[in-house]
Parts: sequence; C-alpha cells; structure tokens
Amino acid sequence: AQSVTQLGSHVSVSEGALVLLRCNYSSSVPPYLFWYVQYPNQGLQLLLKYTSAATLVKGINGFEAEFKKSETSFHLTKPSAHMSDAAEYFCAVRTNNAGNMLTFGGGTRLMVKP
Amino acid sequence: DAGVTQSPTHLIKTRGQQVTLRCSPKSGHDTVSWYQQALGQGPQFIFQYYEEEERQRGNFPDRFSGHQYPNYSSELNVNALLLGDSALYLCASSPIQGNTGELFFGEGSRLTVL
Repeated sequence: AQSVTQLGSHVSVSEGALVLLRCNYSSSVPPYLFWYVQYPNQGLQLLLKYTSAATLVKGINGFEAEFKKSETSFHLTKPSAHMSDAAEYFCAVRTNNAGNMLTFGGGTRLMVKP
Repeated sequence: DAGVTQSPTHLIKTRGQQVTLRCSPKSGHDTVSWYQQALGQGPQFIFQYYEEEERQRGNFPDRFSGHQYPNYSSELNVNALLLGDSALYLCASSPIQGNTGELFFGEGSRLTVL
C-alpha cells in the first residue's frame, strides 16, 4: 500500500520568510504526487502536481516542489511567505494508474506571523 | 463554468439515522469520487463512480453506499449513522480521459452526528 508522511503538523513562519513543508511518500511504482491547499471551511485546491515530467514543479501562488526519487520526497517551498498563505496543506500520492484514489498525508497547518 | 457543487453544506443528524449527500461534478467531468475528512486529518477515499458504477472502494463499511446518475451527478448515502461518521464529506470530479490524477474538489458537506 502506498502512504504519505507529512513531517510537522504545524509550521509557523514570519511573513517574508522561507516556507518549507515536508512530504515523504512510499510507492512501489512511479508515483503521481500532488500538493493541495485547504482554506478554512473550504474544499481542497490543487497547488501543483508531479506527473513524471520535470522534477521541479511550479505551482500557483509562488509555490514549487521538487521530486527527489532517491529520498522519496516531494517537499513544498515558497521563497517568501505571505499572510494569505496561512492554511492547511496536504500532500497526496496517486495510488494506481487506473483510478482516482489519492492517498493523503495528515496535513500541515501553516501559520504566518506578521 | 461551475465547479464541483455539493449539497447540503451543513447538516446535523442523530445516531442511527440515514443521510444522503449530493454532488454535481465540474462541467466536462464524468468521474466522481467521495472522500471523508475527519477533523484534523487528511481526506480518506471512500469510493469512485464512473459510468454509473462503483469502480474503486476504500476501507469503508457497506453502510456507505453511492449512486451516479446519467448526468454524472452523484449521491453518497450513509446508513445507521455513528458518532464517528461526523466529518467533512468531499466530492471530487475528474475526466476519465487523459486523467493524471488531478481532482477538482467541492467545498464539502459537513455532517455532525449527535
């Protein structure tokens, strides 16, 4: 079975500081990997996805993530945090090639201090 | 272009009751998946519907059932509600053709079981 581990359920950064949210996955086959963001009382919005093309993936709102096969990681970064980035972030792996079953990590709540 | 819409947004039930949640997929999408998100956790896959049939199922009891209509809309039914069924239920849609696993989520139906 595939799984996703997000290190740190809560991350706090100052406005303007680097954001680093960690994600490690386990998969027996080449994975598709995703980062989703969830704002309070809302559904999930796709930030970016890795689908076996470029290992450095750029997403919306200035976020990017790098797929590192040797480390089985897909960490999310943003050079400079903004107050509006405060939200819950979920890393997910696609479980198989025939369906839409995503396996999500437990989430990381990002807090941005002024 | 309307995205994924879900109804109702909030509802309260008592133990033992039954509930039906509804979802209309994004225009052009024919596949609907349902996820359960308990408080403070990542979403968990319940099942996926395509061509009016359940195609994949996660680790949920058969108290959880669904349906997909010819217009691709879907329902999630939960019988004999338990306190532990309290959660945000998310519907996600995607096109089956050329799908790289990206899901479009609705804002969810928040179910409280008392």
